[in-house]
Amino acid sequence: EPEVTQTPSHQVTQMGQEVILRCVPISNHLYFYWYRQILGQKVEFLVSFYNNEISEKSEIFDDQFSVERPDGSNFTLKIRSTKLEDSAMYFCASCQDRAFYNEQFFGPGTRLTVL
Amino acid sequence: AQKITQTQPGMFVQEKEAVTLDCTYDTSDQSYGLFWYKQPSSGEMIFLIYQGSYDEQNATEGRYSLNFQKARKSANLVISASQLGDSAMYFCAMRANNAGNMLTFGGGTRLMVKP
Repeated sequence: EPEVTQTPSHQVTQMGQEVILRCVPISNHLYFYWYRQILGQKVEFLVSFYNNEISEKSEIFDDQFSVERPDGSNFTLKIRSTKLEDSAMYFCASCQDRAFYNEQFFGPGTRLTVL
Repeated sequence: AQKITQTQPGMFVQEKEAVTLDCTYDTSDQSYGLFWYKQPSSGEMIFLIYQGSYDEQNATEGRYSLNFQKARKSANLVISASQLGDSAMYFCAMRANNAGNMLTFGGGTRLMVKP
């Protein structure tokens, strides 16, 4: 069964450093998402991406964040200058289309620890 | 704006018993989907069950069923014959047709199954 993959599974970085989290969505999916879950809290939407551009973003997704689909398979989330409060689990998800009834398939997550 | 409320931060259930996890939602949209995800201690998000706003019958998937009461705006998850492996966080989420294509999550319920 096709699945969303994410690398790395765990990333430790120093405050102020740049990090890139990588995702490979399911191959025939058109919509891609990043979500964040701070430890012990609920999952929060960051950004959605379609047709090589951002379609929606939350207030969390400020200028420190960017997303890119550099080739036909990878979907990346970059945090330019990490802060302590960026420590969280980051989930990538993909979906065939934007219909409300379609399931979003989640990757296993990347746990980001900012020291 | 959409909102999902899960009022039970933690619940215990005896193995082999049934348990109901509560979820209420708020949206002005007529077309929406409700999703339940399981998050074990390993961290991944596992899709369990889906209910559409126009579905007349309650959704079922194996031991999982959804008690959908549209007028009350509730979508409670029922797990029958609980197993030790059901111990996890459970998240209710919603995706509305006219409110972007992101998922909005509740705060989650931690279920602990006692042997």
